[in-house]
Amino acid sequence: KQEVTQIPAALSVPEGENLVLNCSFTDSAIYNLQWFRQDPGKGLTSLLLIQSSQREQTSGRLNASLDKSSGRSTLYIAASQPGDSATYLCAEMELVFGKGTKLTVNP
Amino acid sequence: DAGVIQSPRHEVTEMGQEVTLRCKPISGHNSLFWYRQTMMRGLELLIYFNNNVPIDDSGMPEDRFSAKMPNASFSTLKIQPSEPRDSAVYFCASIVGRGTGAYNEQFFGPGTRLTVL
Repeated sequence: KQEVTQIPAALSVPEGENLVLNCSFTDSAIYNLQWFRQDPGKGLTSLLLIQSSQREQTSGRLNASLDKSSGRSTLYIAASQPGDSATYLCAEMELVFGKGTKLTVNP
Repeated sequence: DAGVIQSPRHEVTEMGQEVTLRCKPISGHNSLFWYRQTMMRGLELLIYFNNNVPIDDSGMPEDRFSAKMPNASFSTLKIQPSEPRDSAVYFCASIVGRGTGAYNEQFFGPGTRLTVL
């Protein structure tokens, strides 16, 4: 059974810093991996989706990578802003979600 | 499009009562998902439908939970009888077509916060 883990559970950085969020999964036979953002009291918003055949996807200041052999995905956020403060979750297909990393970007 | 619509947004009920949560997916989306989110367990898939047919309900906790999708624009999640441990935020989500190989961005509703006293 697929398990998705995100470490750390919380991260605090100063504004302007580049940062990496980590996601690991146990079963390398992954169909796709999706990164979401969740603001307090809200639903999830899809940020990036990486298909199994892809290695990375980019959207603006965000870049997500997928390494199936090591069971890892990373979400890179460039030049972080206070508005990036949220919880970031990764998920294998729509089935198994990590518990998320709560990101705080301090002005 | 108004996005995925869920109602009610908040529900407070007493143990033993029946609770019905409602979801309207985005028009044209043919896959619908129900999730439950708690601090302890995170976001868990309860059940999902493809073309109104339940595909995987292995995440439904027990027989007290049931879900239906009578048509492409409406789904319900029912808990009967409710218990305090059912307190959580319940999310509904939809996508265009699961497993088609296309880019299947998933859209979430705002959630229903359920409190069972």
